[in-house]
Amino acid sequence: GAGVSQSPSNKVTEKGKDVELRCDPISGHTALYWYRQSLGQGLEFLIYFQGNSAPDKSGLPSDRFSAERTGGSVSTLTIQRTQQEDSAVYLCASSPWGGGQPQHFGDGTRLSIL
Amino acid sequence: ELKVEQNPLFLSMQEGKNYTIYCNYSTTSDRLYWYRQDPGKSLESLFVLLSNGAVKQEGRLMASLDTKARLSTLHITAAVHDLSATYFCAVDSYGGSQGNLIFGKGTKLSVKP
Repeated sequence: GAGVSQSPSNKVTEKGKDVELRCDPISGHTALYWYRQSLGQGLEFLIYFQGNSAPDKSGLPSDRFSAERTGGSVSTLTIQRTQQEDSAVYLCASSPWGGGQPQHFGDGTRLSIL
Repeated sequence: ELKVEQNPLFLSMQEGKNYTIYCNYSTTSDRLYWYRQDPGKSLESLFVLLSNGAVKQEGRLMASLDTKARLSTLHITAAVHDLSATYFCAVDSYGGSQGNLIFGKGTKLSVKP
């Protein structure tokens, strides 16, 4: 079956521009997570959506970062006024309903800020 | 703040040898996850350990959880080259209620013939 799909796979942009990253979770999965992976910081949790509940935004590093999930399915992570330290691989994961279950990860979006 | 520490961070093994990767975490949790990542690829779930004393095995890999010691181990038996990858352990940041994972830094395993 289809796994977690992320787009674009690579994104290069200039410092100060806004970017949007998309995640399409596995059908039927109510829990959706965003993480980022960088050499300096390892794997960091960013934000968590569960069904129609308010998202857990506790991992977002600044107010330049935001995310939404429409209709309980597709999610978009937006980074405004990008900075060089935003360069990383942004990973999306989904699971059937949350804790205690393996999260299924997409292939990620590699974001490079020039 | 929940911290997850793995050791070693780098491991070079010969084929056929056994070794153990350790994962310590700093707060109470009964849910521990192991993932594998190949270079340039995403994370693949290996094991989910949901209670004290849990042990799971898949092929040459066996994972265990001791929640009292806040320790999980990933044991590799008779390593083969195909096991070369980076292995991450992760813990639920809310003790299992939500699933936001806090990851260790990863153990980069290289198995040489």
